[in-house]
Amino acid sequence: EAQVTQNPRYLITVTGKKLTVTCSQNMNHEYMSWYRQDPGLGLRQIYYSMNVEVTDKGDVPEGYKVSRKEKRNFPLILESPSPNQTSLYFCATSLGSLISTDTQYFGPGTRLTVL
Amino acid sequence: AQSVAQPEDQVNVAEGNPLTVKCTYSVSGNPYLFWYVQYPNRGLQFLLKYITGDNLVKGSYGFEAEFNKSQTSFHLKKPSALVSDSALYFCAVRDRLSAGNTPLVFGKGTRLSVIA
Repeated sequence: EAQVTQNPRYLITVTGKKLTVTCSQNMNHEYMSWYRQDPGLGLRQIYYSMNVEVTDKGDVPEGYKVSRKEKRNFPLILESPSPNQTSLYFCATSLGSLISTDTQYFGPGTRLTVL
Repeated sequence: AQSVAQPEDQVNVAEGNPLTVKCTYSVSGNPYLFWYVQYPNRGLQFLLKYITGDNLVKGSYGFEAEFNKSQTSFHLKKPSALVSDSALYFCAVRDRLSAGNTPLVFGKGTRLSVIA
Protein backbone atom coordinates (compact mmCIF):
# COMPACT_ATOMS: atom_id res chain seq x y z
CA GLU A 1 0.00 0.00 0.00
CA ALA A 2 1.30 3.43 -0.98
CA GLN A 3 1.74 5.54 2.08
CA VAL A 4 3.49 8.42 3.78
CA THR A 5 4.23 7.85 7.45
CA GLN A 6 5.15 10.36 10.11
CA ASN A 7 6.43 9.82 13.63
CA PRO A 8 5.57 10.75 16.23
CA ARG A 9 1.94 11.63 15.66
CA TYR A 10 1.76 13.68 18.84
CA LEU A 11 4.55 15.33 20.78
CA ILE A 12 4.66 17.65 23.76
CA THR A 13 8.07 19.08 24.52
CA VAL A 14 9.74 22.01 26.22
CA THR A 15 11.50 25.03 24.80
CA GLY A 16 15.02 24.33 23.63
CA LYS A 17 14.90 20.55 23.61
CA LYS A 18 15.98 19.31 20.18
CA LEU A 19 13.52 17.07 18.38
CA THR A 20 13.14 15.28 15.06
CA VAL A 21 9.94 14.41 13.24
CA THR A 22 10.44 11.62 10.75
CA CYS A 23 8.78 11.22 7.37
CA SER A 24 9.02 8.14 5.22
CA GLN A 25 7.43 7.20 1.90
CA ASN A 26 7.30 3.93 -0.01
CA MET A 27 6.35 5.30 -3.43
CA ASN A 28 9.84 6.10 -4.72
CA HIS A 29 8.81 9.74 -5.05
CA GLU A 30 11.47 12.31 -5.81
CA TYR A 31 9.79 15.34 -4.27
CA MET A 32 9.20 15.64 -0.54
CA SER A 33 8.03 18.61 1.45
CA TRP A 34 7.14 19.77 4.94
CA TYR A 35 4.21 22.02 5.76
CA ARG A 36 2.84 23.49 8.93
CA GLN A 37 -0.86 24.10 9.38
CA ASP A 38 -2.09 26.84 11.65
CA PRO A 39 -5.68 28.06 12.15
CA GLY A 40 -6.57 30.85 9.76
CA LEU A 41 -3.28 30.51 7.88
CA GLY A 42 -3.80 27.32 5.92
CA LEU A 43 -0.74 25.31 4.95
CA ARG A 44 2.63 26.96 4.66
CA GLN A 45 5.66 25.23 3.23
CA ILE A 46 8.71 24.94 5.49
CA TYR A 47 11.25 23.08 3.35
CA TYR A 48 11.22 20.89 0.31
CA SER A 49 13.52 18.43 -1.39
CA MET A 50 13.64 17.68 -5.09
CA ASN A 51 15.82 14.59 -4.67
CA VAL A 52 18.49 13.04 -2.50
CA GLU A 53 20.88 15.65 -1.10
CA VAL A 54 18.83 18.47 -2.70
CA THR A 55 16.87 20.61 -0.27
CA ASP A 56 15.62 24.18 -0.30
CA LYS A 57 13.70 26.63 1.84
CA GLY A 58 9.99 27.14 1.57
CA ASP A 59 8.00 30.07 2.87
CA VAL A 60 8.67 29.64 6.62
CA PRO A 61 12.02 27.89 7.13
CA GLU A 62 13.24 29.77 10.21
CA GLY A 63 13.92 27.49 13.16
CA TYR A 64 13.84 24.30 11.10
CA LYS A 65 16.35 22.03 9.39
CA VAL A 66 15.91 19.08 7.07
CA SER A 67 18.05 16.43 5.46
CA ARG A 68 17.56 14.04 2.54
CA LYS A 69 20.18 11.32 2.73
CA GLU A 70 17.89 8.65 1.31
CA LYS A 71 15.10 8.97 -1.19
CA ARG A 72 12.44 7.57 1.14
CA ASN A 73 13.17 9.67 4.25
CA PHE A 74 12.90 13.40 4.89
CA PRO A 75 13.21 14.24 8.59
CA LEU A 76 12.30 17.64 10.01
CA ILE A 77 14.62 18.83 12.75
CA LEU A 78 13.92 21.50 15.34
CA GLU A 79 17.27 22.28 16.97
CA SER A 80 15.84 24.56 19.64
CA PRO A 81 12.04 24.51 19.57
CA SER A 82 10.09 27.54 20.70
CA PRO A 83 6.40 27.94 21.57
CA ASN A 84 5.67 29.63 18.22
CA GLN A 85 6.51 26.32 16.55
CA THR A 86 3.50 24.73 18.19
CA SER A 87 1.57 23.56 15.15
CA LEU A 88 0.31 20.66 13.07
CA TYR A 89 3.00 19.43 10.70
CA PHE A 90 2.49 17.52 7.46
CA CYS A 91 4.94 15.76 5.23
CA ALA A 92 3.96 15.50 1.57
CA THR A 93 5.43 13.74 -1.44
CA SER A 94 4.92 13.75 -5.18
CA LEU A 95 6.31 11.69 -8.01
CA GLY A 96 8.51 14.18 -9.81
CA SER A 97 10.06 17.43 -8.84
CA LEU A 98 9.73 19.07 -12.22
CA ILE A 99 6.14 18.21 -13.00
CA SER A 100 3.87 20.98 -11.83
CA THR A 101 0.75 18.92 -12.27
CA ASP A 102 1.73 16.19 -9.84
CA THR A 103 -0.64 15.30 -7.04
CA GLN A 104 0.82 15.53 -3.56
CA TYR A 105 0.34 12.74 -1.06
CA PHE A 106 0.20 13.78 2.57
CA GLY A 107 1.19 12.03 5.74
CA PRO A 108 -1.25 11.81 8.68
CA GLY A 109 0.27 14.79 10.50
CA THR A 110 2.26 15.43 13.66
CA ARG A 111 0.76 17.63 16.32
CA LEU A 112 3.58 19.38 18.14
CA THR A 113 3.20 21.40 21.34
CA VAL A 114 6.18 23.35 22.65
CA LEU A 115 5.78 24.56 26.23
CA ALA B 1 3.21 35.92 -7.36
CA GLN B 2 0.51 33.35 -6.99
CA SER B 3 -2.23 33.33 -4.40
CA VAL B 4 -5.53 31.67 -3.66
CA ALA B 5 -8.50 32.87 -1.63
CA GLN B 6 -11.26 30.89 0.00
CA PRO B 7 -13.70 33.61 1.03
CA GLU B 8 -15.75 31.47 3.41
CA ASP B 9 -14.32 30.07 6.62
CA GLN B 10 -17.43 27.93 7.13
CA VAL B 11 -20.14 26.55 4.89
CA ASN B 12 -23.23 24.87 6.31
CA VAL B 13 -25.55 22.82 4.14
CA ALA B 14 -28.37 20.39 4.77
CA GLU B 15 -27.89 16.78 3.77
CA GLY B 16 -29.19 16.14 0.28
CA ASN B 17 -28.80 19.75 -0.81
CA PRO B 18 -26.20 20.88 -3.34
CA LEU B 19 -23.01 22.33 -1.92
CA THR B 20 -20.49 24.84 -3.21
CA VAL B 21 -17.14 25.73 -1.70
CA LYS B 22 -15.65 28.81 -3.30
CA CYS B 23 -12.10 29.42 -4.47
CA THR B 24 -10.54 32.25 -6.44
CA TYR B 25 -6.94 32.47 -7.54
CA SER B 26 -4.33 34.83 -8.85
CA VAL B 27 -1.38 33.81 -11.03
CA SER B 28 0.80 35.51 -13.61
CA GLY B 29 0.08 32.99 -16.32
CA ASN B 30 -2.36 30.13 -16.47
CA PRO B 31 -3.07 28.01 -13.42
CA TYR B 32 -2.93 24.46 -12.32
CA LEU B 33 -5.66 24.15 -9.67
CA PHE B 34 -6.23 21.53 -7.00
CA TRP B 35 -8.74 20.67 -4.30
CA TYR B 36 -7.76 18.69 -1.22
CA VAL B 37 -9.92 17.52 1.68
CA GLN B 38 -8.89 17.00 5.28
CA TYR B 39 -10.97 14.78 7.53
CA PRO B 40 -10.56 15.07 11.31
CA ASN B 41 -7.20 13.79 12.55
CA ARG B 42 -6.10 12.91 9.03
CA GLY B 43 -3.74 14.30 6.43
CA LEU B 44 -4.93 16.03 3.29
CA GLN B 45 -6.35 13.86 0.54
CA PHE B 46 -6.42 14.77 -3.13
CA LEU B 47 -9.90 15.34 -4.60
CA LEU B 48 -9.38 16.68 -8.10
CA LYS B 49 -7.26 18.93 -10.27
CA TYR B 50 -7.56 21.13 -13.33
CA ILE B 51 -4.68 20.98 -15.76
CA THR B 52 -6.14 21.79 -19.14
CA GLY B 53 -9.08 20.94 -21.36
CA ASP B 54 -12.66 20.64 -20.14
CA ASN B 55 -13.50 23.34 -17.62
CA LEU B 56 -15.61 20.91 -15.57
CA VAL B 57 -13.42 18.51 -13.65
CA LYS B 58 -14.81 15.45 -11.91
CA GLY B 59 -13.07 14.00 -8.89
CA SER B 60 -13.40 11.63 -5.98
CA TYR B 61 -16.52 11.07 -3.87
CA GLY B 62 -18.84 12.71 -6.39
CA PHE B 63 -17.19 16.11 -6.23
CA GLU B 64 -16.60 18.30 -9.24
CA ALA B 65 -15.14 21.73 -9.84
CA GLU B 66 -15.57 24.26 -12.59
CA PHE B 67 -12.67 26.31 -13.87
CA ASN B 68 -13.76 29.81 -14.85
CA LYS B 69 -10.91 31.77 -16.35
CA SER B 70 -12.76 35.07 -16.67
CA GLN B 71 -13.74 35.02 -13.01
CA THR B 72 -10.46 33.38 -11.91
CA SER B 73 -12.45 30.87 -9.92
CA PHE B 74 -12.41 27.15 -9.28
CA HIS B 75 -15.43 26.42 -7.08
CA LEU B 76 -15.93 22.95 -5.68
CA LYS B 77 -19.40 21.48 -6.04
CA LYS B 78 -21.44 18.42 -5.27
CA PRO B 79 -25.07 17.91 -6.32
CA SER B 80 -26.18 16.21 -3.10
CA ALA B 81 -24.26 16.61 0.16
CA LEU B 82 -23.67 13.80 2.62
CA VAL B 83 -23.00 14.10 6.34
CA SER B 84 -19.72 12.26 5.66
CA ASP B 85 -18.62 15.17 3.43
CA SER B 86 -18.14 17.29 6.56
CA ALA B 87 -14.46 18.20 6.55
CA LEU B 88 -11.95 20.95 5.88
CA TYR B 89 -11.44 21.75 2.20
CA PHE B 90 -8.37 23.38 0.70
CA CYS B 91 -7.95 24.93 -2.71
CA ALA B 92 -4.40 25.19 -4.10
CA VAL B 93 -2.81 26.79 -7.14
CA ARG B 94 0.43 26.70 -9.05
CA ASP B 95 1.29 28.95 -11.97
CA ARG B 96 1.72 26.90 -15.13
CA LEU B 97 4.70 28.98 -16.10
CA SER B 98 6.49 28.39 -12.83
CA ALA B 99 9.30 25.92 -12.38
CA GLY B 100 8.51 22.54 -10.97
CA ASN B 101 10.00 23.40 -7.62
CA THR B 102 7.59 26.26 -7.10
CA PRO B 103 5.42 25.11 -4.23
CA LEU B 104 1.70 24.78 -4.31
CA VAL B 105 0.03 27.74 -2.66
CA PHE B 106 -2.86 26.71 -0.44
CA GLY B 107 -5.88 28.67 0.63
CA LYS B 108 -6.74 28.99 4.30
CA GLY B 109 -9.36 26.29 4.10
CA THR B 110 -13.15 26.16 4.31
CA ARG B 111 -14.87 24.05 6.90
CA LEU B 112 -17.91 22.29 5.46
CA SER B 113 -20.60 21.08 7.81
CA VAL B 114 -23.38 18.94 6.41
CA ILE B 115 -26.33 18.76 8.74
CA ALA B 116 -28.62 15.73 8.78
